[in-house]
Amino acid sequence: EAGVAQSPRYKIIEKRQSVAFWCNPISGHATLYWYQQILGQGPKLLIQFQNNGVVDDSQLPKDRFSAERLKGVDSTLKIQPAKLEDSAVYLCASSPASGLYNEQFFGPGTRLTVL
Amino acid sequence: AQSVAQPEDQVNVAEGNPLTVKCTYSVSGNPYLFWYVQYPNRGLQFLLKYITGDNLVKGSYGFEAEFNKSQTSFHLKKPSALVSDSALYFCAVRHLTIPDKLIFGTGTRLQVFP
Repeated sequence: EAGVAQSPRYKIIEKRQSVAFWCNPISGHATLYWYQQILGQGPKLLIQFQNNGVVDDSQLPKDRFSAERLKGVDSTLKIQPAKLEDSAVYLCASSPASGLYNEQFFGPGTRLTVL
Repeated sequence: AQSVAQPEDQVNVAEGNPLTVKCTYSVSGNPYLFWYVQYPNRGLQFLLKYITGDNLVKGSYGFEAEFNKSQTSFHLKKPSALVSDSALYFCAVRHLTIPDKLIFGTGTRLQVFP
């Protein structure tokens, strides 16, 4: 089966610019996650969707970050405006259902550099 | 609050030797623990998980992990390391109240030398 798809793979922008990332989860997976992985750190969950509803967005900097999953399938994560400290790899993951200790399947990530 | 700690930034081992990557946890209640591996320029891949039952959990690529409640540890092990095992390894714990939310450690880089 096809894995989690993400695009773009790399993005370089200047601070205060806007950027968007796209994720297409594995077909049929109800739960979708966006993580931020800063160099030298473990992935930090930004937002978790169950179908098209938000389960957790407690660590999403809502003044500049937004995410949507309108039809319960693919998702976009936006940063507006970007700051230098947003430089990181943004990982998307999906899992079949919620609350069943399922493994998460990760995409390759988008590496963002903010200059 | 749930958390995991990986005390070693890097582990070096010769090919063919056994390897151990350490993880300790701090949780309220029963821990649900995971190991993931990250190869260069790729996303994380699931290796194994402990939910309940046998303290020795077997996973992908010949890896296993031992859950030790008294030492609050969940160390990743492999009897004979391969050069291709060189990667970044993350331990994670499931959040207490949010379904399927994982809290990751800082990662340990495993380097296997030929």
